[in-house]
Amino acid sequence: GQQLNQSPQSMFIQEGEDVSMNCTSSSIFNTWLWYKQDPGEGPVLLIALYKAGELTSNGRLTAQFGITRKDSFLNISASIPSDVGIYFCAGRQGGSEKLVFGKGTKLTVNP
Amino acid sequence: DGGITQSPKYLFRKEGQNVTLSCEQNLNHDAMYWYRQDPGQGLRLIYYSQIVNDFQKGDIAEGYSVSREKKESFPLTVTSAQKNPTAFYLCASSRWTGRNEQYFGPGTRLTVT
Repeated sequence: GQQLNQSPQSMFIQEGEDVSMNCTSSSIFNTWLWYKQDPGEGPVLLIALYKAGELTSNGRLTAQFGITRKDSFLNISASIPSDVGIYFCAGRQGGSEKLVFGKGTKLTVNP
Repeated sequence: DGGITQSPKYLFRKEGQNVTLSCEQNLNHDAMYWYRQDPGQGLRLIYYSQIVNDFQKGDIAEGYSVSREKKESFPLTVTSAQKNPTAFYLCASSRWTGRNEQYFGPGTRLTVT
């Protein structure tokens, strides 16, 4: 099945730094979702995007639906230790019931 | 509280045995999904169901079976035909119309030896 290209694979940052990660595809998507997964737990939905160019925030998190509809970006500002985890992007193409997932970005925050 | 429950959290089985993983939701969602997650991998869709008594194969359905007899429940059976069953299994649910974001349960880690 199709997968999204998510980068970077991993990030090691200092507490207080800003973080950026992205998700790209060769296909157009109508919906982009960003999830965070803690070790041994299920993913938790952070942000959902539905329109090209849309910019949505959830606290220190901001995500954007790319203008081309082939990519999406997630930014975390002023990182804290509890931001540690794996961040997944997911997209839905028009006419499909299914989500396509990226392989995740593993974030480590050093206090 | 509304949510998705999966049980048990950890499951151990001997090779050759079938095993059934439970998934229940009280969100009144129409659709339910089963995913498999392996280390360093994204989520891969096993089966999904839009309505009661109907379900569709996902990308990796071989060796798995499901049923949807009630709206709230979508159990997954890992059969002995699944060649590599050890994995983390995640159940999700969503509305079927409109902005149907998927919400996940806490997962079941299955180990087969």
